[in-house]
Amino acid sequence: DGGITQSPKYLFRKEGQNVTLSCEQNLNHDAMYWYRQDPGQGLRLIYYSQIVNDFQKGDIAEGYSVSREKKESFPLTVTSAQKNPTAFYLCASSPDRASYEQYFGPGTRLTVT
Amino acid sequence: DQQVKQNSPSLSVQEGRISILNCDYTNSMFDYFLWYKKYPAEGPTFLISISSIKDKNEDGRFTVFLNKSAKHLSLHIVPSQPGDSAVYFCAASGRGGGSNYKLTFGKGTLLTVNP
Repeated sequence: DGGITQSPKYLFRKEGQNVTLSCEQNLNHDAMYWYRQDPGQGLRLIYYSQIVNDFQKGDIAEGYSVSREKKESFPLTVTSAQKNPTAFYLCASSPDRASYEQYFGPGTRLTVT
Repeated sequence: DQQVKQNSPSLSVQEGRISILNCDYTNSMFDYFLWYKKYPAEGPTFLISISSIKDKNEDGRFTVFLNKSAKHLSLHIVPSQPGDSAVYFCAASGRGGGSNYKLTFGKGTLLTVNP
């Protein structure tokens, strides 16, 4: 059963702690993306990766870091430098750099107190 | 600067009637447009798309219309069903201007279909 997995569904952290959100896909897609959604807002791009071992900053990369060591995995670390980390985080993938359509995982709700 | 705008935060229609969701964009480099549907606490699901070389694309109950001169697109759902109740996001992408492969999203429109 192919798809994108994000875990956990809900995550709670204390302010000042780094936290890593998991994203795994078994669709054999080359490109992967991280977005965040805030209430009443659209999705904003944090980071994206078009191939393994390469990634690019999106529109709101400050306070975040990523890695792409495997094609299937694109973890996102929310660092203590991110001023407003509480949000709904969405991972997506697309088949290759020529594809417009992106397919999303179920999301992780991160709450930092 | 918001490049993709969905000016109606919400829309309410009766079951069986037509739902029309609107989207405007400002970046003339956008050449591909997509609509996503999202339920609360879930990821968006791809619904339908249209290339800038077309002015209409239809898939079952869903039709997207593109007016390039007005930089406007709309999603028509007919007939509307209660299961269509969700937030609908308009997204755009372009090959030029450094925005390759990025999707720029609007803020979404909450559609409620009343039985």
